[in-house]
Amino acid sequence: DVKVTQSSRYLVKRTGEKVFLECVQDMDHENMFWYRQDPGLGLRLIYFSYDVKMKEKGDIPEGYSVSREKKERFSLILESASTNQTSMYLCASSFGDQPQHFGDGTRLSIL
Amino acid sequence: AQSVTQPDIHITVSEGASLELRCNYSYGATPYLFWYVQSPGQGLQLLLKYFSGDTLVQGIKGFEAEFKRSQSSFNLRKPSVHWSDAAEYFCAVALSAGTALIFGKGTTLSVSS
Repeated sequence: DVKVTQSSRYLVKRTGEKVFLECVQDMDHENMFWYRQDPGLGLRLIYFSYDVKMKEKGDIPEGYSVSREKKERFSLILESASTNQTSMYLCASSFGDQPQHFGDGTRLSIL
Repeated sequence: AQSVTQPDIHITVSEGASLELRCNYSYGATPYLFWYVQSPGQGLQLLLKYFSGDTLVQGIKGFEAEFKRSQSSFNLRKPSVHWSDAAEYFCAVALSAGTALIFGKGTTLSVSS
């Protein structure tokens, strides 16, 4: 079974901090995605990557960046955290034409 | 722009009753279609997918969905709901299965005894 692991289930940070959310998949998937989930808004795409060192902006990239130095790891970076970035963050991966597999999510609170 | 609409924000169904969750999409061509389920505090689990072929697709946990091109719909059904089905359900579309998903806003299912 595919395993997508997000390093933290819950995270509390301060406004202005630089925050790193880590995602690792164990199935050599080429595609990786970061989504943000908010009540009443569903999931929205922040960034995605189809290969190592490659990244593409999604629908809501402002205030975020990503890093993919190795195929199995896709990191989401909040350059200077703000309270409006308090949310649930979900990472997903896929291979070829197969559906995406999701991690359990990181619930991030910015105080 | 592509979009997915789930008209029902919250549905309550009696245990043992049938279920239908609605999903409509707006897309230039027939997209790849998915239903995911999310239990509280968990990630998303794939229930079923439609790429092409037979318009009635079977998924896990006794769920099925029917693609109707004329109505741009992909409704999820289950003949008999169990209490463990209480969760949030998301319909999603993609240009292809490997590309980014566009999600609906979700439908929360409650099951009453």
